[in-house]
Amino acid sequence: EPEVTQTPSHQVTQMGQEVILRCVPISNHLYFYWYRQILGQKVEFLVSFYNNEISEKSEIFDDQFSVERPDGSNFTLKIRSTKLEDSAMYFCASSGRQGKKETQYFGPGTRLLVL
Amino acid sequence: GENVEQHPSTLSVQEGDSAVIKCTYSDSASNYFPWYKQELGKGPQLIIDIRSNVGEKKDQRIAVTLNKTAKHFSLHITETQPEDSAVYFCAATFSNEKLTFGTGTRLTIIP
Repeated sequence: EPEVTQTPSHQVTQMGQEVILRCVPISNHLYFYWYRQILGQKVEFLVSFYNNEISEKSEIFDDQFSVERPDGSNFTLKIRSTKLEDSAMYFCASSGRQGKKETQYFGPGTRLLVL
Repeated sequence: GENVEQHPSTLSVQEGDSAVIKCTYSDSASNYFPWYKQELGKGPQLIIDIRSNVGEKKDQRIAVTLNKTAKHFSLHITETQPEDSAVYFCAATFSNEKLTFGTGTRLTIIP
């Protein structure tokens, strides 16, 4: 069974530093997403990406955030200058195989801690 | 706006009994409703989903029902087992691909 993978599993950084979270979506999927989950809360949408551009983004996804698909397999989320409130689990998801665009499969997440 | 309400927030059932989790959504245009199971420290795992043209779907011990008129959908787990203990999230898509999640239900199966 193909899976979404994410690296690193944990990331600790100082406030103001840049972080890059990496994801390898399921092969042949066409739609890619980032979500985040603050400890004990629900999963929140950040951004969706299709055909090498952002298709939708939430209010959370401000100018400090960016996404990129640098090659045919990786999908990255960059936070330019981290804030304390960016501490959360970040999940990558992908969808869009065999016509089932809506069915999103999630990776195991990256736990980001900003000190 | 796009909103999904989920109840209860916590649920404890005896092993072997059934568990039911309910969600309501705000936008009648919603057409896709997945359920995810999240174990501690892991990502959400899709367990079942239903599209708006179907009223019920079953997969072994798990079933989902959808009432479009009332704008609510429910997850039913029968013959619960200890490994069913987890946090369960409902979700819905509205006019786009993004998922809007409910607030989660922590299900505990009591042996």
